[in-house]
Amino acid sequence: SQQGEEDPQALSIQEGENATMNCSYKTSINNLQWYRQNSGRGLVHLILIRSNEREKHSGRLRVTLDTSKKSSSLLITASRAADTASYFCAPQGGSYIPTFGRGTSLIVHP
Amino acid sequence: DGGITQSPKYLFRKEGQNVTLSCEQNLNHDAMYWYRQDPGQGLRLIYYSQIVNDFQKGDIAEGYSVSREKKESFPLTVTSAQKNPTAFYLCASNPDSYSTDTQYFGPGTRLTVL
Repeated sequence: SQQGEEDPQALSIQEGENATMNCSYKTSINNLQWYRQNSGRGLVHLILIRSNEREKHSGRLRVTLDTSKKSSSLLITASRAADTASYFCAPQGGSYIPTFGRGTSLIVHP
Repeated sequence: DGGITQSPKYLFRKEGQNVTLSCEQNLNHDAMYWYRQDPGQGLRLIYYSQIVNDFQKGDIAEGYSVSREKKESFPLTVTSAQKNPTAFYLCASNPDSYSTDTQYFGPGTRLTVL
């Protein structure tokens, strides 16, 4: 099964700054999803981008997808302390079963 | 109040014992999944079920067993054959495993082997 790899593994920023995290994958996909996990909790879906889309927005989130480079990025603008969490990408290929990498651990300092 | 529930939240087990983790959903979803998460690691797929009375092994099924007798329930048994069961276990569901649907996750069960 396909797995996304997030980069960086850890990111520490100040409140108000933007946070960018990247995801790479290896084979063709139907879509790519981003999830968030607060410490000790389940994952929460943030946004889905389909393989024929290049950019998608949802509130302070902006996701891009470059299928030629097999990569995606998640940008959180004007970050808040409450954005502190781990973020996972989940590329979905032919099996339609999302698989998850190690995630990016984001800490936003007040 | 719809969603996925997992119980218990914390579970302690002695070595050599089997334990069963509960996962229930009232979302009428066809597909259900079990993942294991170790500290600082991603989620690894243990088992998944796309329809009642059918389930498939994921990437790390050894030492685990599941059943899917009802659409809303997908319990996971961690057997004594699982060598290192201490981990955080997450259950998820989605409406239709043959489409690109969002997965909905439960709150997780943290299993510790004493």
